[in-house]
Amino acid sequence: QKEVEQNSGPLSVPEGAIASLNCTYSDRGSQSFFWYRQYSGKSPELIMSIYSNGDKEDGRFTAQLNKASQYVSLLIRDSQPSDSATYLCAVLNSNYQLIWGAGTKLIIKP
Amino acid sequence: GAGVSQSPRYKVAKRGQDVALRCDPISGHVSLFWYQQALGQGPEFLTYFQNEAQLDKSGLPSDRFFAERPEGSVSTLKIQRTQQEDSAVYLCASSMATGGVYEQYFGPGTRLTVT
Repeated sequence: QKEVEQNSGPLSVPEGAIASLNCTYSDRGSQSFFWYRQYSGKSPELIMSIYSNGDKEDGRFTAQLNKASQYVSLLIRDSQPSDSATYLCAVLNSNYQLIWGAGTKLIIKP
Repeated sequence: GAGVSQSPRYKVAKRGQDVALRCDPISGHVSLFWYQQALGQGPEFLTYFQNEAQLDKSGLPSDRFFAERPEGSVSTLKIQRTQQEDSAVYLCASSMATGGVYEQYFGPGTRLTVT
């Protein structure tokens, strides 16, 4: 079992709809959680960080963390074609190592 | 302020050549990370510095890989006797890593192709 798991996709969502991206992790002592967006041929770009249970909203993005169930999700409201990218989940584990998922490819269809 | 910069952006090396990849982190960031990213995969950890100290090099795939950060700012990743399997994008990231803040910010990467 990988430490951080994501569905590789592609996840196809109509423009204007909500895109929901999920990530599970295995180290129950993990304490910090990050979502990065990576466009093809570019480096990862930090879009959200979340440290405590519950929701954290930033514009059209909402990160949700449930430590009991060991999952973190990212919701993108009013999806735009420019949101099409690979979304990487990264988890800071109990050894202070940042562990990365393989990413979910998101496609927003006009 | 300036972000993380890396050079060169692209490097083509013949098998057996040595290469050196440079990373200039965000000013004031004490932590610096090197990652290797293959196509369609997430970044794979290589090594980590806190200031000039290399605290973790467990991800370096072989003793052909060497990294340094002698003055606690700019870092160089060196690959000796390059092999085709070394072809990848090498990403550098920096972080404040203080006060519970662990966000990492990435440079544009160096795409290494070994022929």
